Amino acid sequence: GAGVSQSPSNKVTEKGKDVELRCDPISGHTALYWYRQSLGQGLEFLIYFQGNSAPDKSGLPSDRFSAERTGGSVSTLTIQRTQQEDSAVYLCASSVNSNTEAFFGQGTRLTVV
Amino acid sequence: GDSVTQMEGPVTLSEEAFLTINCTYTATGYPSLFWYVQYPGEGLQLLLKATKADDKGSNKGFEATYRKETTSFHLEKGSVQVSDSAVYFCAFPVIGSARQLTFGSGTQLTVLP
Repeated sequence: GAGVSQSPSNKVTEKGKDVELRCDPISGHTALYWYRQSLGQGLEFLIYFQGNSAPDKSGLPSDRFSAERTGGSVSTLTIQRTQQEDSAVYLCASSVNSNTEAFFGQGTRLTVV
Repeated sequence: GDSVTQMEGPVTLSEEAFLTINCTYTATGYPSLFWYVQYPGEGLQLLLKATKADDKGSNKGFEATYRKETTSFHLEKGSVQVSDSAVYFCAFPVIGSARQLTFGSGTQLTVLP
């Protein structure tokens, strides 16, 4: 596609429910990143994919968080048993490779009530 | 380990003032360096980049020079405008177990008319 697309743009969920966030990267981009931006905070790295592999998952805050990427394209970030502290904007970005600029999606604003 | 340190904000300037936002990095090798900007209510977008030492990135009147000797990539603009009010992030790909894109903490800039 023309840009990185994320869905949904907004998600309100009840505490304890599972949520799935989707990212469609720019076609041909092998690198894909997930970040979290909490209110008034900087960008927190979550996970990086090169192709379908995630060489570094160290940014995932707990085992409730997981992510996968299929076909070297679409990625899904799953948060199980959501907590209020999970409320944030989740940003996805992709790049041609890991040494070129990343293009960001508009983000998914997750609110856990 | 590899890291990026960015000048903390917020920064408030009058229109037409000179802007400097400091960014220093600790990196293995000489990665590309980026400045991203996030305007109010919008997603992150690349402002400028430099791919090797002594390169100068420039865009929209902003400039930053890749200084290997001081490991810095300071962002400058000679005359800021109200429309430059945004959050600015310094970033580079970190070489580790995988090349994740690492961001500074962000600097909030407010330009007053």
